[in-house]
Amino acid sequence: DQQVKQNSPSLSVQEGRISILNCDYTNSMFDYFLWYKKYPAEGPTFLISISSIKDKNEDGRFTVFLNKSAKHLSLHIVPSQPGDSAVYFCAASAVHNQGGKLIFGQGTELSVKP
Amino acid sequence: DGGITQSPKYLFRKEGQNVTLSCEQNLNHDAMYWYRQDPGQGLRLIYYSQIVNDFQKGDIAEGYSVSREKKESFPLTVTSAQKNPTAFYLCASSSGPLNSPLHFGNGTRLTVT
Repeated sequence: DQQVKQNSPSLSVQEGRISILNCDYTNSMFDYFLWYKKYPAEGPTFLISISSIKDKNEDGRFTVFLNKSAKHLSLHIVPSQPGDSAVYFCAASAVHNQGGKLIFGQGTELSVKP
Repeated sequence: DGGITQSPKYLFRKEGQNVTLSCEQNLNHDAMYWYRQDPGQGLRLIYYSQIVNDFQKGDIAEGYSVSREKKESFPLTVTSAQKNPTAFYLCASSSGPLNSPLHFGNGTRLTVT
């Protein structure tokens, strides 16, 4: 049972344009969401997070949007740069109900072309 | 430099042999985790430990064992009972509060033939 789903395995975007990575979840108990970025043969690094009490969180070129009614979150990168090319994982946890274990999506590989 | 060290980066074993993957952190984090990454499946939790001398099974613990005798160390043993051991293994730690982000090591690629 995949509680966190990233339905697009890959995304290709032109440098300077916006990248939008999507993530859907099924567990209504999730109350904290994170995005991680991963380069090949390295561990993921934390990018940005959002609590369920918010619907938007922004950090520089990265913005995460949360739509609780649709159980959907998205990561916007603008403007996209070639160095953003990596695999992006969304993750969710039910901090106050289920011990806070992170559940990861399958990942979306972003390719930013110069 | 604080961080998480996983060794070795690449590991090869024959089927039927147990193998232990090392994970050491100097971040003074209480919680440590082991994840497995397979193509198209994201990261799946194998075991985690919130405090020394205590650990819990994750979602795919069968065929694995861990120990947490020291705060800094959380080794993972892949036993011969694990049916599909070939994978990329990631160790992580966090400072404890449940919503604190995980810090990951650079992983160990295990190949069993």
